[in-house]
Amino acid sequence: ELKVEQNPLFLSMQEGKNYTIYCNYSTTSDRLYWYRQDPGKSLESLFVLLSNGAVKQEGRLMASLDTKARLSTLHITAAVHDLSATYFCAVATFTNFGNEKLTFGTGTRLTIIP
Amino acid sequence: DADVTQTPRNRITKTGKRIMLECSQTKGHDRMYWYRQDPGLGLRLIYYSFDVKDINKGEISDGYSVSRQAQAKFSLSLESAIPNQTALYFCATSDFRGRQFFGPGTRLTVL
Repeated sequence: ELKVEQNPLFLSMQEGKNYTIYCNYSTTSDRLYWYRQDPGKSLESLFVLLSNGAVKQEGRLMASLDTKARLSTLHITAAVHDLSATYFCAVATFTNFGNEKLTFGTGTRLTIIP
Repeated sequence: DADVTQTPRNRITKTGKRIMLECSQTKGHDRMYWYRQDPGLGLRLIYYSFDVKDINKGEISDGYSVSRQAQAKFSLSLESAIPNQTALYFCATSDFRGRQFFGPGTRLTVL
């Protein structure tokens, strides 16, 4: 059974600081997604990482994937209040017919303090 | 208009009642999914469907059933609701590339 672990689960950080959220998973996969969820809202897709060594950046967020280590990171640079949200990673596995399923991590609730 | 819609958005019901949650999409995707979200547990897959004739159980399907009425519609039923099914339910769709697009969610409370 695939396990997807995120840490930390809760993170409070000051504006302007840098930090990294980690996503570890227990089985082979070379496809991973990051999502953002604001309180009471749905999930918004942030990044799709499709191969070992993939790196994607959007604004103050950068995601990377190391499939050999079974690890993805979401790095936040110079945090601003608008980044306060819960962030989920989701690991893709495939059925016998090649269709994709996602297993989600438990989420990291990020609070940016002015 | 939203690409993935869910009805109702909020529902309060009593133990033992049958409940149906509906999901519709205009994205033209073949693949649809139902998840539930509980605090501290992330999203867990209940059922998924890769086309109209395909239905598969996810990791927590007990107590739930689904119907794929058309490419655009995927319904989730709780045959006899119980309090530990109180949760936030999300429908999602995806195309062959895999990225999933989520509906706004249905908040279900079972008393």
